[in-house]
Formats: sequence, C-alpha cells, structure tokens
Amino acid sequence: GAVVSQHPSRVICKSGTSVKIECRSLDFQATTMFWYRQFPKKSLMLMATSNEGSKATYEQGVEKDKFLINHASLTLSTLTVTSAHPEDSSFYICSAADAGRNQPQHFGDGTRLSIL
Amino acid sequence: AQSVTQLDSQVPVFEEAPVELRCNYSSSVSVYLFWYVQYPNQGLQLLLKYLSGSTLVKGINGFEAEFNKSQTSFHLRKPSVHISDTAEYFCAVSSQGGSEKLVFGKGTKLTVNP
Repeated sequence: GAVVSQHPSRVICKSGTSVKIECRSLDFQATTMFWYRQFPKKSLMLMATSNEGSKATYEQGVEKDKFLINHASLTLSTLTVTSAHPEDSSFYICSAADAGRNQPQHFGDGTRLSIL
Repeated sequence: AQSVTQLDSQVPVFEEAPVELRCNYSSSVSVYLFWYVQYPNQGLQLLLKYLSGSTLVKGINGFEAEFNKSQTSFHLRKPSVHISDTAEYFCAVSSQGGSEKLVFGKGTKLTVNP
C-alpha cells in the first residue's frame, strides 16, 4: 500500500533553533499534503494544507511565519518550525493524498518535537 | 461546517468481549466518514471508510462500522477484541473522499484488559 515517510521521528533541540521536518510520499504523487499537530491526549489539529507548487493554506490561528511549509515537488513537503520555543513542543504528523484519485489520506508516523 | 463527536473518551473492555466506539457527525453537505487507529508514538492508520454504497463497511483487523444517515452516526464495532487492539481511535469526516482536509473527533482510548 501507499507509504508516507516522515523524518525525523524525534528531535530534541534548544530554544531558538529552527527545526525542519520532512514528509515524503514513497509510491504515489502527493498533490496535497496536510500538516497536523497533536497535543498530549488530544485530537489532531490541522495546521495547514499544501498543494504542490503553490503556497500553503493555513488554518485560523496558525502563524505562517512560525510554521513555514514548502511543497516543492509531488513527493516532498517540509515543515520548518522557526525559532522554536518550549510551547512548540508537540507531536507533528503529516499526511498525503493524490487529489486526482480522491482516495483517503495516508499518514506519516509523526515527529516528536521537544524544545528545551 | 463539519464536526465530529466521539462520545466516549475512554472505553475499557476485557479481551474477547465485543466493543462499540461511538461517533456522531454534523455536516451540511455530503459526508465521507473514516475511522483511524493510532498506536503510541505513531501516525494514523486507516481502519475503514464510508464513501458511498453499502452502509455497513468492513475494515481491517476485524472492525466494521455502520453509516446511519438519520442518526448521523458512524459507530465502530468489533465482535471480539484482542489485547493488541489497545490504541486511540479517531473518527473523521470529510466533504470529499479523503483528499480534502479531515475533521477529527477527539478520539477514544480503547484499553483491552486480559
């Protein structure tokens, strides 16, 4: 089946650094990718939707300058958390879909981000 | 706007017992419904989906769900659970087949005890 690879699975870094998370679709063309944030014991909150080759659409309340999303190819999207602070610590999950096939999204395994 | 309500935040059951995880949705347009499972520190795995057709949907790992339009429900069931079914379960709704953004419920933690 379709596989979405997310890297790194876990990252620990100091406050003030920027962290990049990659999301790759391994066996299909991901015309659309989604980035979610999940707080402990909470549901997934959609942060943004990115379509290949265009700017991401951010959900209300999500800072565009804080969470930079790039979807430069049909197999790769990146989320960069800029100048990360402890409150940015969370579990970030990406998903990918081929809008042309209108099939369910496939999810990555998530990235546990811890900011010290 | 769409929304999903998962009525139970936690469901403890004994091994080999049946289980039902409840999900109700609200939508002003056609809906497509999904159940996902999340194991600790992992992403989400699709259990099953309702796009159209038969209202009884069978998924992986012996799970099934029934779409009930009049009750706006999509409850997940399994006749006999295993320890390995212990996980978080999320119900989600989309206005399309899933390639559009999903709106998730808050999740139900299923704990299967020996």
